[in-house]
Amino acid sequence: QKEVEQNSGPLSVPEGAIASLNCTYSDRGSQSFFWYRQYSGKSPELIMSIYSNGDKEDGRFTAQLNKASQYVSLLIRDSQPSDSATYLCAAEGGYQKVTFGTGTKLQVIP
Amino acid sequence: ETGVTQSPTHLIKTRGQQVTLRCSSQSGHNTVSWYQQALGQGPQFIFQYYREEENGRGNFPPRFSGLQFPNYSSELNVNALELDDSALYLCASSLPSGVSYNEQFFGPGTRLTVL
Repeated sequence: QKEVEQNSGPLSVPEGAIASLNCTYSDRGSQSFFWYRQYSGKSPELIMSIYSNGDKEDGRFTAQLNKASQYVSLLIRDSQPSDSATYLCAAEGGYQKVTFGTGTKLQVIP
Repeated sequence: ETGVTQSPTHLIKTRGQQVTLRCSSQSGHNTVSWYQQALGQGPQFIFQYYREEENGRGNFPPRFSGLQFPNYSSELNVNALELDDSALYLCASSLPSGVSYNEQFFGPGTRLTVL
């Protein structure tokens, strides 16, 4: 049973649009949640971390957390072709274990 | 500030051999985690080291072992290599969970191919 679920995509959006990436998790004890961006052949890069219910904004990125629904999302405003990558959602569920989803591939069409 | 570094970049081994991968943590980070990422999958947690002790382990067999040194660098050792061990091995460093909520920063990875 997967503990962090993501739609594998690809999610295609036109340049300048808002990309919405979603993730659900099964461990109610998870306290910390992360979004990573991974370009093909490269390692994951931390974009956002969120620990409290609600929204957290950083530049063009907004992370949203709803612990009651066990749901995490990432919004990317004004999407650029350089945002084309795989986005990994991750949750820390105790005992130092961070569990990753399989990632959603985002394609931003110029 | 120095980021996370890993060596080697690529490695080819044959089934049954042993391999050692190395990682230097980001400056100021004393916690190191190792992950295995198969093609098309998310990273899978192998284990974490803090203060030279294993501080958490995922569902990997004992032939996956590690070390952390006083300078916080780390090694991942894999014995009796199997074909399914072919993957990208990622090292991530962080401050202790209680300080940083386990915000982890990844190195470039080592691509291991087992033939």
